[in-house]
Amino acid sequence: GIQVEQSPPDLILQEGANSTLRCNFSDSVNNLQWFHQNPWGQLINLFYIPSGTKQNGRLSATTVATERYSLLYISSSQTTDSGVYFCAVPRTLGNEKLTFGTGTRLTIIP
Amino acid sequence: DTEVTQTPKHLVMGMTNKKSLKCEQHMGHRAMYWYKQKAKKPPELMFVYSYEKLSINESVPSRFSPECPNSSLLNLHLHALQPEDSALYLCASSLSGTSGPGRLETQYFGPGTRLLVL
Repeated sequence: GIQVEQSPPDLILQEGANSTLRCNFSDSVNNLQWFHQNPWGQLINLFYIPSGTKQNGRLSATTVATERYSLLYISSSQTTDSGVYFCAVPRTLGNEKLTFGTGTRLTIIP
Repeated sequence: DTEVTQTPKHLVMGMTNKKSLKCEQHMGHRAMYWYKQKAKKPPELMFVYSYEKLSINESVPSRFSPECPNSSLLNLHLHALQPEDSALYLCASSLSGTSGPGRLETQYFGPGTRLLVL
């Protein structure tokens, strides 16, 4: 099945800093989602981005499908950005079974 | 309204108990999912219901029994669980669960139930 690796596994930043999280996947995809899992376990949709670039406030994401990676940018980090960030892709093209990446744990220090 | 609700938030049960987890959505979605997430791991798919029919069972042990009474509700019945079944159980929903090439779906997740099996 498709493999999804995220880097870095852990990231500790001062409030106000910028960060880039990476998601590499081993096969072609037509669906990629970024999620933020807050410290209470809630998974929150950030982006649905199979290709191209999207922006939402301080967050933006870029997926280069031909090179099999996606990037999540967080600017001017706030403590509420802390948590685990997952990317997820379908197990096969068009499949509803999502395979989650390994996750990046982000800790923002005041 | 993009909300998926789950009850209870926390559950502690013994290995001989029978309990149920409940999930509800009112977005008109016809696909619902159960995921299991162990600490410091990504969520893993357990079951998928599409149009109230079980479409995917990821070889989950029979001590977990899903049920979809209607298109808005999803239950997970638990019986004779083991301590290693302790985890966060997440419910999700999407429009139809039958995405194909060119059809794109987003899954929306509930807040989860933290289960501890003693």
